[in-house]
Amino acid sequence: DIQMTQSPSLLSASVGDRVTLSCKASQNIYKYLNWYQQKLGEAPKLLIYYTNSLQTGIPSRFSGSGSGTDFTLTISSLQPEDVATYYCYQYNSGYTFGAGTKLELK
Amino acid sequence: QVTLKESGPGILQPSQTLSLTCSFSGFSLSTYGMCVGWIRQSSGKGLEWLANIWWNDDKYYNPSLKNRLTISKDTSNNQAFLKITNMDTADTATYYCAYNNFDYWGQGVMVTVSS
Repeated sequence: DIQMTQSPSLLSASVGDRVTLSCKASQNIYKYLNWYQQKLGEAPKLLIYYTNSLQTGIPSRFSGSGSGTDFTLTISSLQPEDVATYYCYQYNSGYTFGAGTKLELK
Repeated sequence: QVTLKESGPGILQPSQTLSLTCSFSGFSLSTYGMCVGWIRQSSGKGLEWLANIWWNDDKYYNPSLKNRLTISKDTSNNQAFLKITNMDTADTATYYCAYNNFDYWGQGVMVTVSS
């Protein structure tokens, strides 16, 4: 099974900050990785698919990068509405979610 | 516009079988390449993939739960189903269905297992 490790588990940042979230796969997943945002009490929402493709309707301050085993989600300028938990998800072999990074305002 | 909505019993007792229904619109599970999956999330915990069913009736299960899971579909009525046998308190969670590569999700249905 492919394991997905996200870091940090908790991140505090200020409005306007550039924020970087990390996701590491236990083996090569090429670019078969999505990022999801989950706000409290809501279902997860797709932000980025296939590592770096922005889902329709998602603000351009969100971007993804990486390949193989190391991936990053970047928020270029943090907004208050970005407070949420972010999950990475691989679909190269089986389907596995990371444990999430909780993003809060400092 | 793709929408999905889960329905289920809400509460059940240990050892019972959970039956969940995903009712969807905006796509057809008889169309080439389409897929519906089930994912669950325990309170305060992360996301766990359970099963997928494809347009051609291929089915894939989480190996750790495979013996307890059955996924199926009714393309005529735009529904997908998941059964989980021998439910335990550890299976208490919010259960989601999702479209394709989890592009769109339903709102989720809370299932509590309690005696």
